[in-house]
Amino acid sequence: SQTIHQWPATLVQPVGSPLSLECTVEGTSNPNLYWYRQAAGRGLQLLFYSVGIGQISSEVPQNLSASRPQDRQFILSSKKLLLSDSGFYLCAWSVGDDQPQHFGDGTRLSIL
Amino acid sequence: GQQVMQIPQYQHVQEGEDFTTYCNSSTTLSNIQWYKQRPGGHPVFLIQLVKSGEVKKQKRLTFQFGEAKKNSSLHITATQTTDVGTYFCAGRDYKLSFGAGTTVTVRA
Repeated sequence: SQTIHQWPATLVQPVGSPLSLECTVEGTSNPNLYWYRQAAGRGLQLLFYSVGIGQISSEVPQNLSASRPQDRQFILSSKKLLLSDSGFYLCAWSVGDDQPQHFGDGTRLSIL
Repeated sequence: GQQVMQIPQYQHVQEGEDFTTYCNSSTTLSNIQWYKQRPGGHPVFLIQLVKSGEVKKQKRLTFQFGEAKKNSSLHITATQTTDVGTYFCAGRDYKLSFGAGTTVTVRA
């Protein structure tokens, strides 16, 4: 069966520090991969999605970036975090555009 | 651009009662998905509707896709404490857009 792993579960970072969140999927090949951000009590904002290795689409301008160095690995990064980057970051995968998305447990990021 | 709106934002329900949450899109959708997020958890896929007028049931949950494929509803009968959480719809035209969710609390 397919599983998705996302870490860390919780992260506290100072303003201006770098960020690296990692997501890996097991049990499937060439999945679509997604990064979402959820502000407290709010909906899901799509940040990036990828349909293959090295292929990244950005949905909103921001100081975050994403990379897909391997088929089942998706990384969310920032060189310098802002206070507004706080939130709940969720990675998800699907077998295709029209298929259900399966989410990881998420990372709660607090910027101080 | 596409907008997916959900109402109500909050739903406080007495245990045992029924309620409905609604999802409306500004554009015609190819399909709509529903997810549930328990407090402190991550969204979990519930169901996908594709056909105009489609109705699907999962135990006490009934999902409906509108005839014009621009709206959807989730009806829960005999609400239980296990129904607590936020229910998101996600509608697809050229991309998948999530609504802001309906957060459900239950009074025992």
